[in-house]
Amino acid sequence: AQSVTQLGSHVSVSEGALVLLRCNYSSSVPPYLFWYVQYPNQGLQLLLKYTTGATLVKGINGFEAEFKKSETSFHLTKPSAHMSDAAEYFCAVSHSGGYNKLIFGAGTRLAVHP
Amino acid sequence: EAGVAQSPRYKIIEKRQSVAFWCNPISGHATLYWYQQILGQGPKLLIQFQNNGVVDDSQLPKDRFSAERLKGVDSTLKIQPAKLEDSAVYLCASSSLPGPATEAFFGQGTRLTVV
Repeated sequence: AQSVTQLGSHVSVSEGALVLLRCNYSSSVPPYLFWYVQYPNQGLQLLLKYTTGATLVKGINGFEAEFKKSETSFHLTKPSAHMSDAAEYFCAVSHSGGYNKLIFGAGTRLAVHP
Repeated sequence: EAGVAQSPRYKIIEKRQSVAFWCNPISGHATLYWYQQILGQGPKLLIQFQNNGVVDDSQLPKDRFSAERLKGVDSTLKIQPAKLEDSAVYLCASSSLPGPATEAFFGQGTRLTVV
C-alpha cells in the first residue's frame, strides 16, 4: 500500500529565507510524486510532479523538488520565500499501472513573516 | 479555459438530513474525481469516474454516499443520511486522461458542516 508522510504540519519562515517542506513516501512500485498547493478557500493547484527521468523537478513559482529513491523522499524547496507563498502544501503519490488515484499527505501549512 | 465548477460553496445541515453536491468538470475531461478533505487531513479519494463508468469507489461509504455522472459530463455526490463525521470539504477534480501521471485540476470545493 502507498502512503505519504509530511514532516511538520506547520512551517514558518521569514521572507527571503529558504523554504523546505519535507515529504517521505512508501510505495512497493515505482512512484509518481506530486506537490500541490492550496490557497485559502481555493482548490488544489499542481506545483510540480515527478514521473520518470530527471530527479530534480522544477515547478511553478520558483519551487523545485528532488526525488531521492534511496531516501524515499521528495522534499519541496524554494530558495527565497515570498509573502505570497503562504498556503498549505500537499505531497501526493500515485503509481504506474493504475488509474490516477492520488494518495495525499496530511499537508504542511507554510507561514511567511516579514 | 474554464476551471472545475462546484456548487454550493458552503452547506450546513443537521445530522440525518440529506445533501447533494454538484460538479461540472473542465470541458473534454473524461476523468472525474470526488475527494473528501477532513480538517487537518489530506484529501481522500471517494470515487473516480472514467466517462460514465466508475473505476474506483473503494473508499466510498456506500451505505450513505452515492454518486453519478450524467452523460459523462456533470456529476453529483449525495449523502443520505448525513453524520457528524461527514463534515469536510468535498473536492471535485477532473483530468484529460486517466493515467497516473496526468495532472488533476481541482474545483474550489464545497464545505459541508453537519450539526
